[in-house]
Amino acid sequence: EPEVTQTPSHQVTQMGQEVILRCVPISNHLYFYWYRQILGQKVEFLVSFYNNEISEKSEIFDDQFSVERPDGSNFTLKIRSTKLEDSAMYFCASSEGRIGTEAFFGQGTRLTVV
Amino acid sequence: AQRVTQPEKLLSVFKGAPVELKCNYSYSGSPELFWYVQYSRQRLQLLLRHISRESIKGFTADLNKGETSFHLKKPFAQEEDSAMYYCALVRYGGSQGNLIFGKGTKLSVKP
Repeated sequence: EPEVTQTPSHQVTQMGQEVILRCVPISNHLYFYWYRQILGQKVEFLVSFYNNEISEKSEIFDDQFSVERPDGSNFTLKIRSTKLEDSAMYFCASSEGRIGTEAFFGQGTRLTVV
Repeated sequence: AQRVTQPEKLLSVFKGAPVELKCNYSYSGSPELFWYVQYSRQRLQLLLRHISRESIKGFTADLNKGETSFHLKKPFAQEEDSAMYYCALVRYGGSQGNLIFGKGTKLSVKP
């Protein structure tokens, strides 16, 4: 069964450093998302992406964040200058159609900023 | 504002007992709701959606617009049902929208 794959599973970085979280969505999916979950809190929407551009972003997704689909398979989330409060589990998701169809989630990347 | 509330952080039941995981929502339009489940060390996966009115793994959920609820129920809990359960609301915005999640309820089914 096809799956959304995320790498790395755990990333530790120093405050102020740039990190790139990688995702390989399911191959025939056209809609992509990033969510995050700070420990003990709810899963929160960051950004949605379709047709090589951002469809929507939340207020969390400020200028420090960017997304890219550099080739036909990868979908990346970059945090330019990490802060302690960026420590969270980051989930990538993809769906065949617009939201309302099933979104398939990756297993997550745990980002720890020290 | 759109919001999903899951009032229970933890629900503990014995095997064979009925289970009800509560979910209330706030949404001005016609809501679309999902239940996602996350088993230990696994990814979030869709359990069921209200529009399909299906039963998965013995779980059902009925949308009650009057009470703005979408509670998840199972008549006889099994140990393998132990997991985190998230209620999610579709929010349409931009060209594709996104999911608004509740905080989740941890279900623990004891033998």
